[in-house]
Amino acid sequence: AQKITQTQPGMFVQEKEAVTLDCTYDTSDQSYGLFWYKQPSSGEMIFLIYQGSYDEQNATEGRYSLNFQKARKSANLVISASQLGDSAMYFCAMTSLEAGGTSYGKLTFGQGTILTVHP
Amino acid sequence: DGGITQSPKYLFRKEGQNVTLSCEQNLNHDAMYWYRQDPGQGLRLIYYSQIVNDFQKGDIAEGYSVSREKKESFPLTVTSAQKNPTAFYLCASTGGAAGIVTGELFFGEGSRLTVL
Repeated sequence: AQKITQTQPGMFVQEKEAVTLDCTYDTSDQSYGLFWYKQPSSGEMIFLIYQGSYDEQNATEGRYSLNFQKARKSANLVISASQLGDSAMYFCAMTSLEAGGTSYGKLTFGQGTILTVHP
Repeated sequence: DGGITQSPKYLFRKEGQNVTLSCEQNLNHDAMYWYRQDPGQGLRLIYYSQIVNDFQKGDIAEGYSVSREKKESFPLTVTSAQKNPTAFYLCASTGGAAGIVTGELFFGEGSRLTVL
């Protein structure tokens, strides 16, 4: 079974500063994928970034980067230069990858972290 | 524009009634999923379908039913057997019946069901 733990119910950051959202995971799988999604108050889930367990480099997507530490089973999201529009709920999720690195979209989600960006 | 459309956005139901939530996608994705979200919680998988005319139970399938008669459509019925149906329901899809490289899901905007 897989488990995702997000220990920060809420985080506050000043506009233009960087913020780190924590995520630890537990799995017995050798091959897995890690995701971060953003959920604004409107409710839709927006994909931010993906990291495969065999990727040697940390994933980056614009202002988002994933600090992947495999030995510590952590996959923290770093948002640089925070903007007011970044205020939302953020979810860490993972999936088991079949041999060959494919996935069936069966994600296990953490409980989320509410990020509030102050002007 | 390509995307996933869920309807209705808000739905009220009396106890004992079945309700059906619609999910339509025009992304040409093979796989579709239904997730449930309770306040302050993460998402939990209800049902998923990797190909037309086939679907599988997720972690919390009891009290729900689905069908997949067309590639574009994956409706979810919340039956009277579901003991606590008030929740936010999200439909998602991804490409490739045999699996996709990253597992990125594309989500609809959700349907909020309230049982009175």
